[in-house]
Amino acid sequence: DSGVTQTPKHLITATGQRVTLRCSPRSGDLSVYWYQQSLDQGLQFLIQYYNGEERAKGNILERFSAQQFPDLHSELNLSSLELGDSALYFCASSTKQGASTEAFFGQGTRLTVV
Amino acid sequence: AQSVTQLGSHVSVSEGALVLLRCNYSSSVPPYLFWYVQYPNQGLQLLLKYTTGATLVKGINGFEAEFKKSETSFHLTKPSAHMSDAAEYFCAVTTYNNNDMRFGAGTRLTVKP
Repeated sequence: DSGVTQTPKHLITATGQRVTLRCSPRSGDLSVYWYQQSLDQGLQFLIQYYNGEERAKGNILERFSAQQFPDLHSELNLSSLELGDSALYFCASSTKQGASTEAFFGQGTRLTVV
Repeated sequence: AQSVTQLGSHVSVSEGALVLLRCNYSSSVPPYLFWYVQYPNQGLQLLLKYTTGATLVKGINGFEAEFKKSETSFHLTKPSAHMSDAAEYFCAVTTYNNNDMRFGAGTRLTVKP
């Protein structure tokens, strides 16, 4: 158990809909990362937050947004969903902002868009 | 931006044989390199990492990796494969001034009895 909790574990929704994925980082971790894992794109970095502020942005679509709340949990919002958004979405957390810090991954949320 | 390439999407070894998973990186500044393992239906777990210092890094479960700057490589090895090593392995890179950790496409390791 990494200590990172993601909910829900599975989500099935229709095209055009909006969903919210939730991540609770390990106790004490200030940094949260979101990744998308799909068969054709592999593991893609989406976005990072540190202590409530956005710190780095990767291949995140404009239809996607995220935030980190004062209690340090984070949410990833996916809107106007398309079939191609079906993937495993991972959250990871680490103690510091620094790049050399180990990131602990949650078990992921499997999103299926039908 | 930095990147990694994992050579071989599938590697199959016999139990007890040497495991060698290849990773080459590209970075304009000194890299930080990681190997993660993913078991079915689970998240990624860190095996080992290199930031600075000793170039031979030992990790969990008997794995180790060597940072070779001249070859821009960070290959993962284990002297003797165990059935429980069957999983997907990801090499990743980032740098001191960039929080964007880039992952390779992954290598699926199969261990035959």
